[in-house]
Amino acid sequence: DAGVTQSPTHLIKTRGQQVTLRCSPKSGHDTVSWYQQALGQGPQFIFQYYEEEERQRGNFPDRFSGHQFPNYSSELNVNALLLGDSALYLCASSLGTGQYEQYFGPGTRLTVT
Amino acid sequence: KQEVTQIPAALSVPEGENLVLNCSFTDSAIYNLQWFRQDPGKGLTSLLLIQSSQREQTSGRLNASLDKSSGRSTLYIAASQPGDSATYLCALSGGSYIPTFGRGTSLIVHP
Repeated sequence: DAGVTQSPTHLIKTRGQQVTLRCSPKSGHDTVSWYQQALGQGPQFIFQYYEEEERQRGNFPDRFSGHQFPNYSSELNVNALLLGDSALYLCASSLGTGQYEQYFGPGTRLTVT
Repeated sequence: KQEVTQIPAALSVPEGENLVLNCSFTDSAIYNLQWFRQDPGKGLTSLLLIQSSQREQTSGRLNASLDKSSGRSTLYIAASQPGDSATYLCALSGGSYIPTFGRGTSLIVHP
């Protein structure tokens, strides 16, 4: 049973560029959430996708956008990268949007120079 | 807005000790509370999930309790081992707020 997968593993971008991160949920899961984790901090919720729509959003600017595909996989897009966007980006999947257990992928380490 | 606090921030213990990690929260209207383990630079591994109607969950040497009235959860680790060294995070999900994590407790178990 495949768990949550994310690509790429690492990424280096220059300030002002755009980046796309990808996530495939655990088999049988239909909900994907994205988190940003800065060094030494807990993950911060970016947004959640269910039925191809954004259902909840954290306190992140519109530079952060996403998409969910019919096969439940998801993308996170960040435009106009800032140095402060450097972080570990984590994807989590679950069955439904409420009380179900979240399973996390290994993350994508984004470095903005 | 849900606020989650984890105490202590860091802990260093000798192998074999029994440990208690604490997680406190401000809004008791939760769906569930989940404990995770994170190794350096890695993703999160789910340890235990407690639904809002439950009081505790157990898995092997781990036991997590939930007291919504006092806004607290504890993760008990029995007979700690060096392989338990990691950061432990608690996270809460609820209907009126976004999923919220604490900053974690960094645990080192030395032989």
